[in-house]
Amino acid sequence: GAGVSQSPSNKVTEKGKDVELRCDPISGHTALYWYRQRLGQGLEFLIYFQGNSAPDKSGLPSDRFSAERTGESVSTLTIQRTQQEDSAVYLCASSLERGGIDTQYFGPGTRLTVL
Amino acid sequence: AQSVTQLGSHVSVSEGALVLLRCNYSSSVPPYLFWYVQYPNQGLQLLLKYTTGATLVKGINGFEAEFKKSETSFHLTKPSAHMSDAAEYFCAVSASGNTPLVFGKGTRLSVIA
Repeated sequence: GAGVSQSPSNKVTEKGKDVELRCDPISGHTALYWYRQRLGQGLEFLIYFQGNSAPDKSGLPSDRFSAERTGESVSTLTIQRTQQEDSAVYLCASSLERGGIDTQYFGPGTRLTVL
Repeated sequence: AQSVTQLGSHVSVSEGALVLLRCNYSSSVPPYLFWYVQYPNQGLQLLLKYTTGATLVKGINGFEAEFKKSETSFHLTKPSAHMSDAAEYFCAVSASGNTPLVFGKGTRLSVIA
């Protein structure tokens, strides 16, 4: 079946502009995660949605970052007033969350470059 | 809190040689441990995971890892490297199921013909 998809695959923007990144999780997956991968670094957790619960926003680096999820489907990560340090690959993952240790399935990522 | 240290940002092996990628973790609770692989321009793919039970975990593509609590390690091995194994490998830990993963910085594996 279809995996996690993300769009756009690449985004170049100017400093100070707002950007929106989209994630389409695997159908039926109740949990959705956003991570950031900066050059030479591991993945950093940003935000986590699980069903109808309030999202875990503890990883968001500043109030310029926000995310929404429509039900158990699409999620959008918004970065306002982008800065050069926001340049990174933004990865989305989803999992089924049946109560066990469910695998997180990752999308291909969106590479964001802030000039 | 959890953390992961991957020793060696770049490992190079000859085709057919043993692959050993090192991962040490820190966790205040019994950890769940994962290895992911990332091929160029692709998302991460799960290689294997340890939750409970048998400490030697077998994954896809001939990889395996052993959970050693006394050493707080979860090293990834493969007896014989193949050219297609060239990729970036990430070790990750979580405190419980279905929580955000804490990743190491990754190890890039090169395989030399």
